[in-house]
Amino acid sequence: TQLLEQSPQFLSIQEGENLTVYCNSSSVFSSLQWYRQEPGEGPVLLVTVVTGGEVKKLKRLTFQFGDARKDSSLHITAAQTGDTGLYLCAGASGGTSYGKLTFGQGTILTVHP
Amino acid sequence: KAGVTQTPRYLIKTRGQQVTLSCSPISGHRSVSWYQQTPGQGLQFLFEYFSETQRNKGNFPGRFSGRQFSNSRSEMNVSTLELGDSALYLCASSIRVGGTGELFFGEGSRLTVL
Repeated sequence: TQLLEQSPQFLSIQEGENLTVYCNSSSVFSSLQWYRQEPGEGPVLLVTVVTGGEVKKLKRLTFQFGDARKDSSLHITAAQTGDTGLYLCAGASGGTSYGKLTFGQGTILTVHP
Repeated sequence: KAGVTQTPRYLIKTRGQQVTLSCSPISGHRSVSWYQQTPGQGLQFLFEYFSETQRNKGNFPGRFSGRQFSNSRSEMNVSTLELGDSALYLCASSIRVGGTGELFFGEGSRLTVL
């Protein structure tokens, strides 16, 4: 069974601070995705990383895929109150398991003004 | 283009009843996956359908079932409801073939079992 350990579970910071969320596994994934979910809504895809060592930037968000494709991180620079939400990492095994993602437990981020 | 549509958004049932949830995927997406989200377990994979066939199944009891129609719309059914089935049920669609696994989620159906 593949598992994704996401940390921290909770993060409460002030606006303008930087933060990093980690996602670790002992399993190799063909790709890793990050989602953000707000209360009452479904997760929304932020980014997909596919290649080991890949770094993707989305405005103030930087995503990194580990060289061995077992871990990933999400770094937010100068957090804003609008960044508040549940952040989820999810790994895809590839092959015939396209729709079957393994999700981390999530990080609840609260950014205070 | 329109997103993934799930109905109903909210429903309340009592133990022992059954429930059917519906999902319409994004136009052109032929894969539909279902997930259960609870505060304690997070998002757990239920099953995936592609071309009307179940392609993958998670570790849930047989009370959980689903199907997909020729227009890619999908339904999932939970029979003999238990209190522990209270959760947000999320449907997600994807292109599947040629994609890298990105899922596009609906807003979910929140089921409360009393």
